[in-house]
Amino acid sequence: DADVTQTPRNRITKTGKRIMLECSQTKGHDRMYWYRQDPGLGLRLIYYSFDVKDINKGEISDGYSVSRQAQAKFSLSLESAIPNQTALYFCATSRNRDAGELFFGEGSRLTVL
Amino acid sequence: GEDVEQSLFLSVREGDSSVINCTYTDSSSTYLYWYKQEPGAGLQLLTYIFSNMDMKQDQRLTVLLNKKDKHLSLRIADTQTGDSAIYFCAERAGANNLFFGTGTRLTVIP
Repeated sequence: DADVTQTPRNRITKTGKRIMLECSQTKGHDRMYWYRQDPGLGLRLIYYSFDVKDINKGEISDGYSVSRQAQAKFSLSLESAIPNQTALYFCATSRNRDAGELFFGEGSRLTVL
Repeated sequence: GEDVEQSLFLSVREGDSSVINCTYTDSSSTYLYWYKQEPGAGLQLLTYIFSNMDMKQDQRLTVLLNKKDKHLSLRIADTQTGDSAIYFCAERAGANNLFFGTGTRLTVIP
């Protein structure tokens, strides 16, 4: 089983719909992250959380919200999806001490029509 | 802000060496990283280098850092078809987050 699990793996939705992407981890890490990947743009950080009570905006947080329900769970929501949010979304975790070593999930491909 | 740049594509023949380059702008970077993304998968850490080092070697991988020019490279010796992937460099400036480059898609031709 994967250490960092994302659901759903693929989702097609329509403009204006609310979407939630979920991430759970069994690594026992405190830090969790949401990134989006777009061709030619690399990975950009949306939100990150250093523990259950800590939520921080990343580079591109507009149009997104997150919830850290437990140490092991971090979900990303799009309240009203728009086509330019079509992308591959990754959840990642890290230890506090070695914050540069991220452990990624397999990604959630979202298409907004 | 941080800006990390890479060429988008690189093709090499099997058995040759691959060199993937990266430039960054933040001179306060403490660590620099190389991640590999295989098709349909998330990224995995390949190797990293501390900013006070010039070179790090790990089996077929050699990382070179030119801090003055803010240039990082990853050399893969004896490149194999299994090395075909997207390679991301990333910098860590400060205690917290990584900033990733655009990724270089390496294609190995048999």
